[in-house]
Amino acid sequence: DADVTQTPRNRITKTGKRIMLECSQTKGHDRMYWYRQDPGLGLRLIYYSFDVKDINKGEISDGYSVSRQAQAKFSLSLESAIPNQTALYFCATSESTRRSGYTFGSGTRLTVV
Amino acid sequence: GDSVTQMEGPVTLSEEAFLTINCTYTATGYPSLFWYVQYPGEGLQLLLKATKADDKGSNKGFEATYRKETTSFHLEKGSVQVSDSAVYFCALSDDSGAGSYQLTFGKGTKLSVIP
Repeated sequence: DADVTQTPRNRITKTGKRIMLECSQTKGHDRMYWYRQDPGLGLRLIYYSFDVKDINKGEISDGYSVSRQAQAKFSLSLESAIPNQTALYFCATSESTRRSGYTFGSGTRLTVV
Repeated sequence: GDSVTQMEGPVTLSEEAFLTINCTYTATGYPSLFWYVQYPGEGLQLLLKATKADDKGSNKGFEATYRKETTSFHLEKGSVQVSDSAVYFCALSDDSGAGSYQLTFGKGTKLSVIP
């Protein structure tokens, strides 16, 4: 099994629908992150969590919410999806050190029509 | 704040050519530096890293040296293969306060290697 698992891998949804993207990890890391990737814009941070009781907004949190259900699980929700939220979404985890870097999931490709 | 600037792509090379992808950074502290690779349809994977000045990270024939005096971490490979076609991201990890150590990414450089 992958260290960081994202589900679903692909999803097409309609404008206005609520959708949840899920992320689970077996790394035992405290820190988890959600990123969005758009062509030409690189990676942008949506939300991050340093432990179960600590949730923080990233640079583009509007229109998104998150839930940290356990150390190993971090979900991203789009309350009312809109077409410009069509993107590739990545979950990542890390240790609490400067040197470790992140471990990424394989991504969820979301299309809002 | 911290920032990473890497050369814009796309970069197209013939097989066995020499590769350089430039990366420079701005950081308030003493960062660790990383290169990530994203193959088509996949997530980002750590390619190599360096955690202090003059360290050289290496993996799969790729190398990068942490140059504090020029604030650079350029990625190099002596002979690229078609299988190296991917998007490469430079990143840094710095202490933004309260031990946050979040990664700051460059925008990525797409490399295409043709036979």
